[in-house]
Amino acid sequence: DIQMTQSPSTLSASLGDRVTITCRASQSISSYLAWYQQKPGTAPKLLIYKASNLEGGVPSRFSGAGSGTEFTLTISSLQPDDFATYYCQQYNPSFPYIFGQGTKLDVK
Amino acid sequence: EVKLLESGGGLVQPGGSLRLSCAASGFTFTAYFMGWVRQAPGKGLEWVSGISGSATEYADAVKGRFTISRDESKNTLYLQMNSLRAEDTAVYYCAKGSVRRFYFDYWGQGALVTVSS
Repeated sequence: DIQMTQSPSTLSASLGDRVTITCRASQSISSYLAWYQQKPGTAPKLLIYKASNLEGGVPSRFSGAGSGTEFTLTISSLQPDDFATYYCQQYNPSFPYIFGQGTKLDVK
Repeated sequence: EVKLLESGGGLVQPGGSLRLSCAASGFTFTAYFMGWVRQAPGKGLEWVSGISGSATEYADAVKGRFTISRDESKNTLYLQMNSLRAEDTAVYYCAKGSVRRFYFDYWGQGALVTVSS
């Protein structure tokens, strides 16, 4: 079965920092990768789809990159609203549609 | 404006059944993939089931016990959950996919399902 592994599991950072979260697939999923942001008690919010496409209304400080088995989500300059948990999700129809285990981004 | 409103959550005993509903509005319901994603207390997201046209897909953990369906006349998505187990306890989110793929751009507020005696 395919596995999606995010790193790190927890990331501590300060306002204005540039941060990068990595998501690795155990098999190639081409560019079928999405990134979500979730805050406590709320539904996830789509940030990026097809590995690098920014969802409408999402600030341009968010960017995604990668293909095949390695993907990254980068926030160029952390803002107060960005402290949350981030999930990747693979949606290649050849495999189960699974999520990574999540990366919690908190204040240093 | 896209809206997804879940209902039907609650407390059920192990082995019991429950049906979740998701009323959709603000988009052409029949044109999009739809799905259910759950989140156990304090845990991450888990893809549960999806429907595209008449095709349905399920996570291994629920295959044979859960059934996804939709009523196009009511713009409503359903998840029939049978033989429920304690490990099915979670918030269940209804989510709208894209035209051809199971990534989700709109989510409901979630419905809590608790399986306990």
